[in-house]
Amino acid sequence: GAGVSQSPSNKVTEKGKDVELRCDPISGHTALYWYRQSLGQGLEFLIYFQGNSAPDKSGLPSDRFSAERTGGSVSTLTIQRTQQEDSAVYLCASSLKGWNTEAFFGQGTRLTVV
Amino acid sequence: AQSVTQLDSHVSVSEGTPVLLRCNYSSSYSPSLFWYVQHPNKGLQLLLKYTSAATLVKGINGFEAEFKKSETSFHLTKPSAHMSDAAEYFCVVSDGGYSTLTFGKGTMLLVSP
Repeated sequence: GAGVSQSPSNKVTEKGKDVELRCDPISGHTALYWYRQSLGQGLEFLIYFQGNSAPDKSGLPSDRFSAERTGGSVSTLTIQRTQQEDSAVYLCASSLKGWNTEAFFGQGTRLTVV
Repeated sequence: AQSVTQLDSHVSVSEGTPVLLRCNYSSSYSPSLFWYVQHPNKGLQLLLKYTSAATLVKGINGFEAEFKKSETSFHLTKPSAHMSDAAEYFCVVSDGGYSTLTFGKGTMLLVSP
């Protein structure tokens, strides 16, 4: 596709359930980022993948959060035992080479935990 | 370590007047700096970027920013605001190498007729 694609666009889940959020980056982009955007909180870094290097997981808020990137392309962010404070918009971005190249953002997945 | 501070959470201007959105950064290396814009219910879009070339960077929609190393600043300006500029603006820093993007808290730009 032409841009970064995220699915689903909206997800409502019950507290305690697990959810998976998917990101399809732009083809050929080696860097992939996950961020979380909450009202009034700006963008919170979660995890960063760059090529074959070990991912930077320093932003994951708890061990309920995990992410993987298969084959250097598609990425899945998994949240286990969801809590109400996990409600936010989860944004994925990719860039050609990381740091000084433009990051292209998807439209996000709006997660609501009820 | 890298960080970025956007000095104003909200800026209000009248249409046709200049815009100034302030950003200060902290970086251990020679950083790359970006400004992104997010219109209501829309995705993030790159306005402009600085990557160690010219210190005055021109972006889309008439915006520009000047990298001032001595002041560790990267303020965003536009000579004349338009109603369509109303949005949230994010200043972003990246240290380089294997480094992620660090976002500021954002500045909401309000433009009145």
